[in-house]
Amino acid sequence: GEDVEQSLFLSVREGDSSVINCTYTDSSSTYLYWYKQEPGAGLQLLTYIFSNMDMKQDQRLTVLLNKKDKHLSLRIADTQTGDSAIYFCAESSEGNEKLTFGTGTRLTIIP
Amino acid sequence: DTAVSQTPKYLVTQMGNDKSIKCEQNLGHDTMYWYKQDSKKFLKIMFSYNNKELIINETVPNRFSPKSPDKAHLNLHINSLELGDSAVYFCASSQVGEGFSTDTQYFGPGTRLTVL
Repeated sequence: GEDVEQSLFLSVREGDSSVINCTYTDSSSTYLYWYKQEPGAGLQLLTYIFSNMDMKQDQRLTVLLNKKDKHLSLRIADTQTGDSAIYFCAESSEGNEKLTFGTGTRLTIIP
Repeated sequence: DTAVSQTPKYLVTQMGNDKSIKCEQNLGHDTMYWYKQDSKKFLKIMFSYNNKELIINETVPNRFSPKSPDKAHLNLHINSLELGDSAVYFCASSQVGEGFSTDTQYFGPGTRLTVL
């Protein structure tokens, strides 16, 4: 079945860039997503990318997709304290509508 | 030893019927969530319960009523089902510490609801 993996923890100094990585196994993945979970809140969709794209940029967020290696990354430029959260990678594929989530990466900002 | 389980995995029903989806977690978590995955496959929070108390209640029709008999279970009851209710519904759980500093959410496999 599908599998999505992420490292569990990442610590970054305020003002630096954060790069959160994700790998997936389903070669038929069509859509890939990044969700943010803030304390006490539900998941919030940050951005998504179609599998026929290599990159997508949205303000401080840059998503890179290496389809050959099945590797997805989320780069947050100029990381702020408000970026502290857990970030989930998720994928879905054509013909299988359910999202498959990674374990989440907890991003901690060091002042 | 499934962490978060949902039943049923698939549910096909007629418009106007009343149905329930059940969720159970054996992780000892004190917070549970229901999400709806919409047609664009975006996940949207519907409800969240902490120790059987409702803490998040997004704008959903009042035909949707969550019920938490204990902190290991959060069921979703839907009255008078409509075509637009067709979606995949995900349950999740987490352990919320003091000050609502959350631990990661663990997701169930999802329930695909089809309303005919």
